[in-house]
Amino acid sequence: NAGVTQTPKFQVLKTGQSMTLQCAQDMNHEYMSWYRQDPGMGLRLIHYSVGAGITDQGEVPNGYNVSRSTTEDFPLRLLSAAPSQTSVYFCASRNRGSSYNSPLHFGNGTRLTVT
Amino acid sequence: SQQGEEDPQALSIQEGENATMNCSYKTSINNLQWYRQNSGRGLVHLILIRSNEREKHSGRLRVTLDTSKKSSSLLITASRAADTASYFCATDPGNSGNTPLVFGKGTRLSVIA
Repeated sequence: NAGVTQTPKFQVLKTGQSMTLQCAQDMNHEYMSWYRQDPGMGLRLIHYSVGAGITDQGEVPNGYNVSRSTTEDFPLRLLSAAPSQTSVYFCASRNRGSSYNSPLHFGNGTRLTVT
Repeated sequence: SQQGEEDPQALSIQEGENATMNCSYKTSINNLQWYRQNSGRGLVHLILIRSNEREKHSGRLRVTLDTSKKSSSLLITASRAADTASYFCATDPGNSGNTPLVFGKGTRLSVIA
C-alpha cells in the first residue's frame, strides 16, 4: 500500500492563479480531510469528507473548494491564490466505524508558496 | 479554533533523559491521540487513549489522561536523538470515525546526543 499520496510536493503560484492539490489513498478509507500547517499555528482543518459525494467545511475553508467523486481521491482547489495561502498542506484519511481503531494517516504534504 | 494546547512549545534534553509533554483541551472528548512529525514529513500516529482510560503504554511511550482537568501528558523515556521531532495532541469528539480531529500547536522536542 502506498498510503496517502499527495502531489505536487512543492508549488509556487502567483497571486490570482488557481491550482489543484491532489490527494489519493489506497486504503479504502471513507473519511478524508485537508489541513494546513503554518508556523506557530499547528494544523487547521480546511475541509473534510465522510464519503464519496459528501463534503463539509472545517475551521478555515475560505478560498478553497473540494469535491469527492470517488473514495480514493480528495482534491483541494485554490480558486484564486493569495499570499495568505502560503502554507504546507496535508491530506489525511481514516476508516469510519470505531474511531478507536482508526487513527489518521497523513500524506507527506504539499509546500505551497504564493508570491 | 485549536482544541488542544501543548506545553511546552519547545523542549531540549540530553539523550537518555525523559521527555514530558502536556496537552490541555477545552471540550469533552471521546479519545485523545498523540502524533509525531519529523521535519518535512507528515504526521504519524503514536498512541490513542480513550476517555475512560487513565494511562496507556506503548514501548517507551506513556500517556496519561485526566478528563476532570481536561489534560493529557506524553512521556518518552530514555530518549534518543531519533526522537527529535514535533509532537502533537489531537482530540476526537466522536466515536464513529466521522468527526474531524482537532490538533494543538505542538511541542518541538530536540534530543541532543
